[in-house]
Amino acid sequence: DTGVSQDPRHKITKRGQNVTFRCDPISEHNRLYWYRQTLGQGPEFLTYFQNEAQLEKSRLLSDRFSAERPKGSFSTLEIQRTEQGDSAMYLCASSGEDTSYEQYFGPGTRLTVT
Amino acid sequence: AQSVTQPDIHITVSEGASLELRCNYSYGATPYLFWYVQSPGQGLQLLLKYFSGDTLVQGIKGFEAEFKRSQSSFNLRKPSVHWSDAAEYFCAIRDAGNMLTFGGGTRLMVKP
Repeated sequence: DTGVSQDPRHKITKRGQNVTFRCDPISEHNRLYWYRQTLGQGPEFLTYFQNEAQLEKSRLLSDRFSAERPKGSFSTLEIQRTEQGDSAMYLCASSGEDTSYEQYFGPGTRLTVT
Repeated sequence: AQSVTQPDIHITVSEGASLELRCNYSYGATPYLFWYVQSPGQGLQLLLKYFSGDTLVQGIKGFEAEFKRSQSSFNLRKPSVHWSDAAEYFCAIRDAGNMLTFGGGTRLMVKP
């Protein structure tokens, strides 16, 4: 078990470009979460999957944000037409049925929009 | 809606001294509470959790936390701080929908 992994770890993009981040959860974890963390703040919940079903997406920050988990394994978070205000750390977490109260976090993807 | 407040943004303690980090929450039902630690460039690591039962919970790295319903608090403590404990600490509450709501964090600095 290698833990939650995220790719890339860092992304620099120009305003207006689209970016996509990937998260691989702990194997056999059926729940996957995305959070955003801006400098000096705690993480902020974005969305949540149980298997391939996206059960909560009302917290996605705008319609420029979307997430998928097509086969119930890895997930992607896409931001379209990036803005400077999107610069943040994007964190992924996963949890399993037997430890569903415990979310295990990946190292995050740091996005810088120039 | 639930909320978590960590009143202290920064705390500095001397190595070997005791530590208490404050966390206050607002939630209408029985809370599920967590403390996470984040070192620079690292993800969040779970230190301990409270669901029910004994209000004093033990975690990893020598940390403990006490749930006090009457004060809506879940303070984190350690009897003797090590230099490696310098990091940012987050208190969080889980709602019925599995979403974690985090406090703003407390940055701990340890003086030699």
